[in-house]
Amino acid sequence: QSALTQPRSVSGSPGQSVTISCTGTSSDVGGYNYVSWYQQHPGKAPKLMIYEVSKRPSGVPDRFSGSKSGNTASLTISGLQAEDEADYYCCSYAGSYSYVFGTGTKVTVL
Amino acid sequence: EVQLVESGGGLVQPGRSLRLSCAASGFTFDGYAMQWVRQAPGKGLEWVSGISWNSGTTVYADSVKGRFTISRDNAKNSLYLQMNSLRAEDTAFYYCAKERILTGYSDFDYWGQGTLVTVSS
Repeated sequence: QSALTQPRSVSGSPGQSVTISCTGTSSDVGGYNYVSWYQQHPGKAPKLMIYEVSKRPSGVPDRFSGSKSGNTASLTISGLQAEDEADYYCCSYAGSYSYVFGTGTKVTVL
Repeated sequence: EVQLVESGGGLVQPGRSLRLSCAASGFTFDGYAMQWVRQAPGKGLEWVSGISWNSGTTVYADSVKGRFTISRDNAKNSLYLQMNSLRAEDTAFYYCAKERILTGYSDFDYWGQGTLVTVSS
């Protein structure tokens, strides 16, 4: 199972929007609506930010949104804030009770 | 409050074994599948293994298949990962994670803080 492909880094100024792509195959991203996104600050555990492609857990700001088209999912952070600077990982269910993570994207707030 | 606390990490020589534990609290442990995810220092997340709520299904990443064994004890609210024939490339922080959906598979809504396994001579 190959890792999902994400850009290594994206950046934006406070208040701007950034979008992170996550490209897989029809066996993972394209085959299931179980795409999730995790935020990880240095030295911390990952935190669920988006589940089932576009749903936000309670407590996650609505600045975070998710979508999917074909084999590519995306996470958009609108109104970028300093505390959004972190690593972000997508994850997809890949069938047979298995999962695959993305390569990870570092978001920098300029 | 949901809590997942991993333990058992440490320094181990190549070829040796180590057993990780994850103590769960704050939720109905026997209602949820559980997962192990690892992260090599400075690298990305890698799904390692999962187990169904009733231990009826266990799955592994190809990178650990045949060497690692996942198990759980619902009476003790605990998850385990037995790691045998350890290799240098198994060096990582190991996180246990809880499935969000009752008895299902979807994503991980709670994570432990991780335990570091270092494989080196």
